[in-house]
Amino acid sequence: DTGVSQDPRHKITKRGQNVTFRCDPISEHNRLYWYRQTLGQGPEFLTYFQNEAQLEKSRLLSDRFSAERPKGSFSTLEIQRTEQGDSAMYLCASSLGLSAGSAGANVLTFGAGSRLTVL
Amino acid sequence: AQSVSQHNHHVILSEAASLELGCNYSYGGTVNLFWYVQYPGQHLQLLLKYFSGDPLVKGIKGFEAEFIKSKFSFNLRKPSVQWSDTAEYFCAVTLFGNEKLTFGTGTRLTIIP
Repeated sequence: DTGVSQDPRHKITKRGQNVTFRCDPISEHNRLYWYRQTLGQGPEFLTYFQNEAQLEKSRLLSDRFSAERPKGSFSTLEIQRTEQGDSAMYLCASSLGLSAGSAGANVLTFGAGSRLTVL
Repeated sequence: AQSVSQHNHHVILSEAASLELGCNYSYGGTVNLFWYVQYPGQHLQLLLKYFSGDPLVKGIKGFEAEFIKSKFSFNLRKPSVQWSDTAEYFCAVTLFGNEKLTFGTGTRLTIIP
């Protein structure tokens, strides 16, 4: 598989439960990103990793959210004590991490997303 | 705050019509600009990008976009649309050297055969 894989594709949970999403990026990509998309909106940046280092986090990422990329390969996004407002599509993307100014910089390959429904 | 505006929320066209989707951004400084497309049931994919040089960039499937710095715009165009162009189109912007892409709210394009 040469694309970005996300699992599960759809998760339904009750308010207050914890959920975890997994993302497997393209193997040669060293940057990995998490975005959130709600109905009628474009994707919103949550966080990104270069290898195993988490380099930037959005203010959207409250303390109930945590993301990891322990070995610089796959990543997990955990949401604790879910709320109905967390219902959204969680998108993972990866990139080669080319230097700024190169034609391939910032070119993201997205996965299909993990849809979260909080009842 | 930095933002990206796509004023057309839903556009309906007949096949062979010409298309122009608007995108305006509010950023100071050097920007990189993108159009992503999401076909029904598929994931987001890159349509075209602008980094530097010729402000008229060509992408896949006959799409092109023009960067007009003075207007802070990056409009997407296609001279003759096809039914298969039915999709949602997102404009995105990032500051040069920054990893955070800011997306617009998207434009849903419906092509009537």
